[in-house]
Amino acid sequence: AQRVTQPEKLLSVFKGAPVELKCNYSYSGSPELFWYVQYSRQRLQLLLRHISRESIKGFTADLNKGETSFHLKKPFAQEEDSAMYYCALRGSGGYNKLIFGAGTRLAVHP
Amino acid sequence: DTEVTQTPKHLVMGMTNKKSLKCEQHMGHRAMYWYKQKAKKPPELMFVYSYEKLSINESVPSRFSPECPNSSLLNLHLHALQPEDSALYLCASSQEPSGSYNEQFFGPGTRLTVL
Repeated sequence: AQRVTQPEKLLSVFKGAPVELKCNYSYSGSPELFWYVQYSRQRLQLLLRHISRESIKGFTADLNKGETSFHLKKPFAQEEDSAMYYCALRGSGGYNKLIFGAGTRLAVHP
Repeated sequence: DTEVTQTPKHLVMGMTNKKSLKCEQHMGHRAMYWYKQKAKKPPELMFVYSYEKLSINESVPSRFSPECPNSSLLNLHLHALQPEDSALYLCASSQEPSGSYNEQFFGPGTRLTVL
């Protein structure tokens, strides 16, 4: 089965603290994984994809095939990072089908 | 124009009404998608259009009828909906329907309420 699990519904941290949003996946074969973010009253947008191995807004995510994880990390959280974060897996079948996790709401307090 | 637009922003309809949602993109993308997002839940894929042809229907009830009149436009026709169909309906597009590096760009959504 193809599945994405985000175990935390809410992650609450103080400004400047490190952040790790967890994502685990279930997939046969080589997965393609993404992090999408939805800020308050804004549209869903791509934050990171594992293929490009980039850092966006200070966030990084590493694919760990052994642990089937793709956790999102940032060393020092900012208040503007408060948002809903979705981990997503590109499903099999030849089309650009995204399977989303349940999402984690990140709240960064001053 | 580098955005996906959706109209209307909000829609309230009765169970006997017929209405349509509209999605538009002018980025030259050849794949377009409809998602349904219930409150506090992730988006769930409904349909995928590839080069204006329906490629994926995720077992969506026939009261939802998608249409892709041209490469820039995607409609979702609604008829005889149920209150449980109330949700945020998201449209997205990507440059190609498959392959890597195909970021999906999302619209702001239409919030639908069925009375």
